[in-house]
Amino acid sequence: EPEVTQTPSHQVTQMGQEVILRCVPISNHLYFYWYRQILGQKVEFLVSFYNNEISEKSEIFDDQFSVERPDGSNFTLKIRSTKLEDSAMYFCASSVETVGELFFGEGSRLTVL
Amino acid sequence: KNEVEQSPQNLTAQEGEFITINCSYSVGISALHWLQQHPGGGIVSLFMLSSGKKKHGRLIATINIQEKHSSLHITASHPRDSAVYICAVRGGSEKLVFGKGTKLTVNP
Repeated sequence: EPEVTQTPSHQVTQMGQEVILRCVPISNHLYFYWYRQILGQKVEFLVSFYNNEISEKSEIFDDQFSVERPDGSNFTLKIRSTKLEDSAMYFCASSVETVGELFFGEGSRLTVL
Repeated sequence: KNEVEQSPQNLTAQEGEFITINCSYSVGISALHWLQQHPGGGIVSLFMLSSGKKKHGRLIATINIQEKHSSLHITASHPRDSAVYICAVRGGSEKLVFGKGTKLTVNP
C-alpha cells in the first residue's frame, strides 16, 4: 500500500542550526502539508502546498520556515535557525484533492538543544 | 476561528466494550476527520466526513452538521484499539484545526 515516508525519524540539533526535514508523498497526490505537534499538545497546521507554491500557511509558519518540492518526489521543510521552542514532532501529509482523505507520514522528531 | 472540543480526554475500557468518543466544533465546516495516533506517534486517518455516517470494520463515525457534533464509535473494543483518537475539522480553507485528542486504553 502506498505510504508517505519521512526522514529523519529523529534529529537532534543545536539552537541556531538549520534543519531540513524530508518527506516523500504518495506519488499521485497533489496536495502536501506540514503539521507539528509539541510534546503533550495538539497537532497544529503549519503549511499547505499545491502546484509548486504555498497555498496557505499558519501564523506559526514565519520567515524562519520554508518549504519546497525540489524534484518530482520530495517535499521538504526547512527551519533556518532553530529555536528551543521548535522542538516537536513534525508530520508530513498528502492528499489527492484539496478536501480529501489525508495520508500522514510517521513523523520526524526534532530536538533542539 | 474554529474551536474543537473532544470528550472524554481519557477513557479506559474493558475488552469487548462499546466505545464512544465525542467531538464538538464551534463554526461550520466543510469536512471532519477522525485520526488515530499510535503510541509511537504516527497518525493514521480513520474517516473523513461531511455528512451522515461512515462505517469501516468495527469503527463507525457519525456527524450532525446542525448540532456541530461528531461521534466515533468502536464496537467490540480490543487492546489493539488503544491509541489517541483525534478529531480535526476543516472550514473554508485547507487549514485543519485539531482537537486535543482522546486517549483510549482497552484492557484485556
